Amino acid sequence: QKEVEQDPGPLSVPEGAIVSLNCTYSNSAFQYFMWYRQYSRKGPELLMYTYSSGNKEDGRFTAQVDKSSKYISLFIRDSQPSDSATYLCAMSVQAGGTSYGKLTFGQGTILTVHP
Amino acid sequence: GAVVSQHPSRVICKSGTSVKIECRSLDFQATTMFWYRQFPKQSLMLMATSNEGSKATYEQGVEKDKFLINHASLTLSTLTVTSAHPEDSSFYICSAWGDRARHFGNGTRLTVT
Repeated sequence: QKEVEQDPGPLSVPEGAIVSLNCTYSNSAFQYFMWYRQYSRKGPELLMYTYSSGNKEDGRFTAQVDKSSKYISLFIRDSQPSDSATYLCAMSVQAGGTSYGKLTFGQGTILTVHP
Repeated sequence: GAVVSQHPSRVICKSGTSVKIECRSLDFQATTMFWYRQFPKQSLMLMATSNEGSKATYEQGVEKDKFLINHASLTLSTLTVTSAHPEDSSFYICSAWGDRARHFGNGTRLTVT
């Protein structure tokens, strides 16, 4: 069993739709949760960063973490064609630049928003 | 914001040759850098953790002698793929911690012919 599970999709939605992306994990030590967006042939770009359980909102993006269920989500409101990309969840036991901040990634979900 | 610059973005080399990939933190100092490998439509797999001034820590299954990592300064880490073979063809990405978050370079597409 992988430490982090993420449905690879692909997911196709019409412009303006609400998109829901999810990850489950098995390691209860994870405390830091991130969502990255990756365009084709580019490095991942950090979208959202959350510590422990709770919600965090930034513009059209909302991240939710439920540590009791070991489940995290990313919601995209009013989706746009420019949101078409691969979305990766990532998590770590500790934050920071030491080796303890090692990220474990989900497989990534390919999202297409069509006009 | 923190920027990680990675070069080259794309390289094609012949089997048996070596290729060096550079990763620089442009506006911050990175004590630790991480090197990942990504196959098409798959997630990022951590290869090694690079610490400035000391030996890198490699993940299980990653050949230390094939993937040489050097982190000589707080702003530069390099990955050298030695005696490259076609199966080493992949997308290599570096990452560093800065500005309270983890940032990634834009990756290097390596093709070994």
